[in-house]
Amino acid sequence: EVQLVESGGGLVQPGRSLKLSCVASGFTFNNYWMTWIRQAPGKGLEWVASITNTGGSTYYPDSVKGRFTISRDNAKSTLYLQMNSLRSEDTATYYCTRVTIITTVVFDYWGQGVMVTVSS
Amino acid sequence: DTVLTQSPALAVSPGERVTISCRASESVSTLMHWYQQKPGQQPKLLIYLASNLESGVPARFSGSGSGTDFTLTIDPVEADDTATYYCQQSWNDPLTFGSGTKLEIK
Repeated sequence: EVQLVESGGGLVQPGRSLKLSCVASGFTFNNYWMTWIRQAPGKGLEWVASITNTGGSTYYPDSVKGRFTISRDNAKSTLYLQMNSLRSEDTATYYCTRVTIITTVVFDYWGQGVMVTVSS
Repeated sequence: DTVLTQSPALAVSPGERVTISCRASESVSTLMHWYQQKPGQQPKLLIYLASNLESGVPARFSGSGSGTDFTLTIDPVEADDTATYYCQQSWNDPLTFGSGTKLEIK
């Protein structure tokens, strides 16, 4: 059974940093691209960052580029999201997702999510 | 960015057929996908590449469309289908989601 378990969320002040982790199990982690997606309270879904299966390439939208860094440790089957210079608009539930193995970016498994609150 | 427009909400009775629409601001070919998010849960993939049913998803769900206009159909609707439904495109960068359609079962 595929499982994605996020951790590392919490309350953080604006301008500070936070690092999220996602431990994967039930599949061969190093065969899959992975992605972080977030959802602000009561709002829709927003793509945050993606990483190839080897970790050799990463992708970000403009809203987080230069502040967030996605990385992975295939030996530990763990995905990370380093978030720096946090803003109130980064407040959201962050989901770790697996990208399905087809020719485009579709998310076939999602973790339960971890809440990040940016507030003074 | 490609904007995906969805109707905010729909209300239907069990047993009825419901169509949820998603209109893209520019062509996304058939690279459109649909997710279901029940209250308090993470999203779940229903349909990928416009019309392909994800494994384990009931055949009551189907998808269609290409270019800019897409539809998710549930027939017949069941009480358990109460959820918000999101479309997502992966043709243009950055990938984007619709704002969601909240489906209420009367």
